Amino acid sequence: DAKTTQPTSMDCAEGRAANLPCNHSTISGNEYVYWYRQIHSQGPQYIIHGLKNNETNEMASLIITEDRKSSTLILPHATLRDTAVYYCIVRPNNYGQNFVFGPGTRLSVLP
Amino acid sequence: GAVVSQHPSRVICKSGTSVKIECRSLDFQATTMFWYRQFPKKSLMLMATSNEGSKATYEQGVEKDKFLINHASLTLSTLTVTSAHPEDSSFYICSARETSAHYEQYFGPGTRLTVT
Repeated sequence: DAKTTQPTSMDCAEGRAANLPCNHSTISGNEYVYWYRQIHSQGPQYIIHGLKNNETNEMASLIITEDRKSSTLILPHATLRDTAVYYCIVRPNNYGQNFVFGPGTRLSVLP
Repeated sequence: GAVVSQHPSRVICKSGTSVKIECRSLDFQATTMFWYRQFPKKSLMLMATSNEGSKATYEQGVEKDKFLINHASLTLSTLTVTSAHPEDSSFYICSARETSAHYEQYFGPGTRLTVT
């Protein structure tokens, strides 16, 4: 079973920041928080991951709370092409563990 | 990032026939590859884990004789759906784990199987 809970769906206006929350209250000390997204009829695309520090890359920022029980993915300037299902996954970063996908959040970026 | 390809991207077959789907890691070696299945409006469900040179490990409820997996090299895994039925119609996605210290996992673009 997935170890995360996310809102089923969210809307965001084009050009605005999209903030996608994720709860992972049972996260273990060796588990990372990963975010992937899946655009319709495509494979999942890696976005970002982190352990406890906030992370930023060219796609997004990841904000992890100090107790690590929740996190927020931020798309700073959402575009129509960011419309997708966003998956928050916790996983140990060691050999042998695969990704367990929950239902994710369906983000709709509106013009 | 690393690239994983799948072939074919979509296939239509008749009920009772077998279909082979290939998954290749294009610029890295993958000791482990994963096969997922995704039904419409549902999330990805892991079907099996394959390790190069050994038998695949199947998730509970997945028939190993129906979904044959071969991982003969560090860059290729194949999934064969045998005696396909309409209920096997789905989106099949593979993922490859990089054989390095980072153990990053990369996903293929998926294969849409329709059984008529």
